[in-house]
Amino acid sequence: NAGVTQTPKFRVLKTGQSMTLLCAQDMNHEYMYWYRQDPGMGLRLIHYSVGEGTTAKGEVPDGYNVSRLKKQNFLLGLESAAPSQTSVYFCASSPVGQGASGANVLTFGAGSRLTVL
Amino acid sequence: AQSVTQLDSHVSVSEGTPVLLRCNYSSSYSPSLFWYVQHPNKGLQLLLKYTSAATLVKGINGFEAEFKKSETSFHLTKPSAHMSDAAEYFCVVSDPGSYQKVTFGTGTKLQVIP
Repeated sequence: NAGVTQTPKFRVLKTGQSMTLLCAQDMNHEYMYWYRQDPGMGLRLIHYSVGEGTTAKGEVPDGYNVSRLKKQNFLLGLESAAPSQTSVYFCASSPVGQGASGANVLTFGAGSRLTVL
Repeated sequence: AQSVTQLDSHVSVSEGTPVLLRCNYSSSYSPSLFWYVQHPNKGLQLLLKYTSAATLVKGINGFEAEFKKSETSFHLTKPSAHMSDAAEYFCVVSDPGSYQKVTFGTGTKLQVIP
């Protein structure tokens, strides 16, 4: 069971370079999310998607773009990387319809560590 | 607006002694509450969740948490710490049905001393 797979696991960029992080899930989940994790700040939501072809902004969307062309994939792009984007990025997914409680349990990938010099 | 506060950034216990990780929340609704665990260089894994059923929730690896509405708390406990419990723990609050309104606490690092 692969679950949620993120690539690459590590990347070093120079300021101004661009890159794309790929997230793939094999659980047929409707919802997908990109978070960033910084020391002492917990996880903050960058962008999310509630289905194929849809995306929406989260808490910290500036400097990032996303696309969800296929249900199983959610891409996070950095058009012009900045040192402030040095972080660990986590992708997560969840199914829709957790019952009346609406408690969406998130399944996380292992993370992608990005360093911007 | 919802928020979650993890009262300790670091907790250190001896192996075999009880674990208490504290979490207070704020929510305008009847929230769903979760605890996730993150081992070093790994993703987050669900420990347990509260969804308005029983107030005492049992999770994996012997952990449990009690929802106390009057105290707006959802503390995580384990009777006897094991070395493998050393990790970072996140308390999470979610408004029901709001997939995007998921708020993470800042985390508590648990150290287990042999």
